[in-house]
Amino acid sequence: DTAVSQTPKYLVTQMGNDKSIKCEQNLGHDTMYWYKQDSKKFLKIMFSYNNKELIINETVPNRFSPKSPDKAHLNLHINSLELGDSAVYFCASSQEWPGFSSDGGDTQYFGPGTRLTVL
Amino acid sequence: AQSVSQHNHHVILSEAASLELGCNYSYGGTVNLFWYVQYPGQHLQLLLKYFSGDPLVKGIKGFEAEFIKSKFSFNLRKPSVQWSDTAEYFCAVNAPGNNRLAFGKGNQVVVIP
Repeated sequence: DTAVSQTPKYLVTQMGNDKSIKCEQNLGHDTMYWYKQDSKKFLKIMFSYNNKELIINETVPNRFSPKSPDKAHLNLHINSLELGDSAVYFCASSQEWPGFSSDGGDTQYFGPGTRLTVL
Repeated sequence: AQSVSQHNHHVILSEAASLELGCNYSYGGTVNLFWYVQYPGQHLQLLLKYFSGDPLVKGIKGFEAEFIKSKFSFNLRKPSVQWSDTAEYFCAVNAPGNNRLAFGKGNQVVVIP
């Protein structure tokens, strides 16, 4: 029973194409995230949604568009793929908006990642 | 904004050796601290976390970490590693009320049988 799942696991595509990555969580969490892990394993947040509303939008090209049809899903659509988009993309979720969690903080649970390779 | 430094990006050690990974953060206020582990080809899993209380935190798989506020540090330790501890270890920090989780660059740990 996977808590945070992503599809596909691997995605190989040509430059200029448009692709989507899907994420679903069955933890009942309110907040979901997308992170990018580059070739040096550095993880950086891209987006965060709370109850289907965009909360964080880091300095990410507008070719990247997250979409949250409901609070259990957060998809990432990428237009006009570039070589530099090659990375592992991780979805994550957390229980509540930080600051309201009963343990004084919040823990993010990660999906298995999607390895995107742009040729 | 918070930032996290991890040193000794590549660590190679033998089974039964002790492991300590350093983590320093730069943020003057109250923080939440995390260590995540990423086994080869797998997703990030939470090892342990510190929010408040006892600064010595025990996590899964025999790992522990100590929060030293005066040193802005949250070092991870394990007294005796196993081959299965081969993985990438990430320290992360956020401020309460802010879900921007800032990660360090990770430590790649290889345990030789």
